[in-house]
Amino acid sequence: KQEVTQIPAALSVPEGENLVLNCSFTDSAIYNLQWFRQDPGKGLTSLLLIQSSQREQTSGRLNASLDKSSGRSTLYIAASQPGDSATYLCAVVMEYGNKLVFGAGTILRVKS
Amino acid sequence: EAQVTQNPRYLITVTGKKLTVTCSQNMNHEYMSWYRQDPGLGLRQIYYSMNVEVTDKGDVPEGYKVSRKEKRNFPLILESPSPNQTSLYFCASSPPSAVWTGELFFGEGSRLTVL
Repeated sequence: KQEVTQIPAALSVPEGENLVLNCSFTDSAIYNLQWFRQDPGKGLTSLLLIQSSQREQTSGRLNASLDKSSGRSTLYIAASQPGDSATYLCAVVMEYGNKLVFGAGTILRVKS
Repeated sequence: EAQVTQNPRYLITVTGKKLTVTCSQNMNHEYMSWYRQDPGLGLRQIYYSMNVEVTDKGDVPEGYKVSRKEKRNFPLILESPSPNQTSLYFCASSPPSAVWTGELFFGEGSRLTVL
């Protein structure tokens, strides 16, 4: 059974700092990995999707990497801003499945 | 505007009182799914539907029912709610090709409290 773990569970940083969120998964037979952002009272917003054959994806100040063989992904946020404060979720789609398997998330707070 | 709409957004109820959380999407998506989110556990899939009249269990289906009579609607039914069903619920939809890419459209969530 696939298990997705995110570390740290919570993170508080001053504005402007670069930061890394970590995601690990136990079964490397994934089709892709996706990072989401969740704001209170809102649904999930997809940030980056990395196919299993890719190593990384970039969008603006966000960069996500994937090491499928070691079961790890990182989300790098450059020059963090207070507006980045949210919960960040990592999820994988299994090769055989039709669902996302989510991690518990990292609660990020960027202080001004 | 493309969207997934859930109702109610907030509900406090008592043990045993049947309730339905509605989910509607306006994108003509075949695939729809329900998740629940609990602290420290992330989102877990309850039920999913690949198309009208086709539904299947996810990881945590106990205590829930669903139906898919129309493509746009996928209601979640709690026949006899219990306190352990207190949670934040999300509905999601996607076209069939996007199932394998994980490109789901999520509703804004329904926070349910069962006393």
